[in-house]
Amino acid sequence: GQNIDQPTEMTATEGAIVQINCTYQTSGFNGLFWYQQHAGEAPTFLSYNVLDGLEEKGRFSSFLSRSKGYSYLLLKELQMKDSASYLCAVSDSNYQLIWGAGTKLIIKP
Amino acid sequence: GAVVSQHPSWVICKSGTSVKIECRSLDFQATTMFWYRQFPKQSLMLMATSNEGSKATYEQGVEKDKFLINHASLTLSTLTVTSAHPEDSSFYICSASLRQGLYGYTFGSGTRLTVV
Repeated sequence: GQNIDQPTEMTATEGAIVQINCTYQTSGFNGLFWYQQHAGEAPTFLSYNVLDGLEEKGRFSSFLSRSKGYSYLLLKELQMKDSASYLCAVSDSNYQLIWGAGTKLIIKP
Repeated sequence: GAVVSQHPSWVICKSGTSVKIECRSLDFQATTMFWYRQFPKQSLMLMATSNEGSKATYEQGVEKDKFLINHASLTLSTLTVTSAHPEDSSFYICSASLRQGLYGYTFGSGTRLTVV
């Protein structure tokens, strides 16, 4: 079966760095997405990785290792507004998105 | 960038009535649209995939006669919840893709449905 695993909840301090991990097992791979979702709102796109390596975009970076079925989202200089759920999703061989359950990130002052 | 407009943002309806949710791609043609449902503190659950001009493909366990999906044009898809019941209360989100997701997925703002 297809499976995406990510931690349920993480807590970090304002100004710090946090890494949210995602492991996946899917039938085929056409890229991995990270989305941010605030409570009661739709997900917003953060990053897309299809090749191995690190993609940096401002305070957020995303890493992918296809051989390990592993990705992480790195958030630097955390701000209170970063408190949200972070969803990992993999596009499988049929270009269907397989979603993780999401990681709720709590930022404390 | 690609924008998807979803209406209404929230709706309250009486049990037994039907509700229609619209999803429009504003500045691109969406060949494929996805409809998701999300219950509180849970992840997105794909309900169905619709391709313009053809019947929607429903996920296992989703009643196609209850959740009617129409994708009559490249810019509009609608989801109609028929004979709504309180257990249908949820957050419904549409998503559109270009070229099978090769250019990513864009989400609508979501519709909060409450059935009373």
